[in-house]
Amino acid sequence: DVKVTQSSRYLVKRTGEKVFLECVQDMDHENMFWYRQDPGLGLRLIYFSYDVKMKEKGDIPEGYSVSREKKERFSLILESASTNQTSMYLCASTLGSSGANVLTFGAGSRLTVL
Amino acid sequence: AQTVTQSQPEMSVQEAETVTLSCTYDTSENNYYLFWYKQPPSRQMILVIRQEAYKQQNATENRFSVNFQKAAKSFSLKISDSQLGDTAMYFCAFMKHALSSGSARQLTFGSGTQLTVLP
Repeated sequence: DVKVTQSSRYLVKRTGEKVFLECVQDMDHENMFWYRQDPGLGLRLIYFSYDVKMKEKGDIPEGYSVSREKKERFSLILESASTNQTSMYLCASTLGSSGANVLTFGAGSRLTVL
Repeated sequence: AQTVTQSQPEMSVQEAETVTLSCTYDTSENNYYLFWYKQPPSRQMILVIRQEAYKQQNATENRFSVNFQKAAKSFSLKISDSQLGDTAMYFCAFMKHALSSGSARQLTFGSGTQLTVLP
């Protein structure tokens, strides 16, 4: 089974702190995604990457950056955390460019910014 | 841009009964994929069912089936013989078929429907 592992299930940070959310997948998937999940808003795409060192903005990239130095790892970075970034963050990956390929999700990281 | 609308924030159903979750979408694309994902309390999002827009036949996976109405841009999920384990948040999602070079396919999600199966 494909595994997408998010390093932290729960994090509590203070306003202004730099936050790293790590995601690792073990099936050599080209594409990786970071979504933010909020009640009543569903999942919104923050950033995605289709290759090492390649990244593209999603729908809500403001306040976030990403890093993909290795194929299996995709990091989401909050340079200066703010309270409105308190949310659930979901990482996902998929193989290749076919629309028939299904996203595999991690278990999520719940971030609270105080 | 694509939008996906789930108009039922919460639903409940008795165990063994049938329930239908609604989803509508808006797109100018002619070919695309539609998905239903399930997120149980454990939070791991898993695929329930997938439909390709060019296929007229509705997709079916065991107790889960869809009613895909392309002209109406409607994609509802029917769960038959509901089980307690079906309790979860259900998300409808859209993916374009066409792909720009040097990019990846993105999913656009609806806001979700929280389904509770009652014993």
